[in-house]
Amino acid sequence: AQSVAQPEDQVNVAEGNPLTVKCTYSVSGNPYLFWYVQYPNRGLQFLLKYITGDNLVKGSYGFEAEFNKSQTSFHLKKPSALVSDSALYFCAVRDRWYSGGGADGLTFGKGTHLIIQP
Amino acid sequence: AAGVIQSPRHLIKEKRETATLKCYPIPRHDTVYWYQQGPGQDPQFLISFYEKMQSDKGSIPDRFSAQQFSDYHSELNMSSLELGDSALYFCASSPRTGANTGELFFGEGSRLTVL
Repeated sequence: AQSVAQPEDQVNVAEGNPLTVKCTYSVSGNPYLFWYVQYPNRGLQFLLKYITGDNLVKGSYGFEAEFNKSQTSFHLKKPSALVSDSALYFCAVRDRWYSGGGADGLTFGKGTHLIIQP
Repeated sequence: AAGVIQSPRHLIKEKRETATLKCYPIPRHDTVYWYQQGPGQDPQFLISFYEKMQSDKGSIPDRFSAQQFSDYHSELNMSSLELGDSALYFCASSPRTGANTGELFFGEGSRLTVL
């Protein structure tokens, strides 16, 4: 079974400061890892993913995430937060070796509310 | 660019009624997923289809059924609705290669309220 933990329900950051949203995962094999963002009453928007290769992946809107296999973490980061970054962020994982025809759903974390204060 | 289209966006039903949600995937996407997101909850995987065949099943209640049609659109049918079915229902699609990595493209969701 695969699972994702986002230990913080809410993260508060002042505008212009760096931000980190934490995520740890558990899979039986090797992971595919994702970050999605959700604005109120909207669908989930894809931010970035780690499949293989460089541990630091860059995504949309200046976000990046670092895959750390030893710590089973995939924290989301941004060097300088914007008020418009305020939203709900979901980390998600899929076991790379899932053999269910490639159509298994992702497993999401509980989400972290990111609040950027002006 | 075309996105995943879901209809209706909002739906209000009474207990024990039936509801049908529709999802139109991005063109050339052959895989469709349904998720349920309760208030303040993370999205829960319900079911997925690849090439019109059910591909995987998650926490979908027996009262719910779904199918994918020849034009790749999908419908989620919910019967004997309960108050606890009130949620935001997301459809997502992916191309076959995307299905292998898990990157999904989500619609805006259909909000079901059961009274």
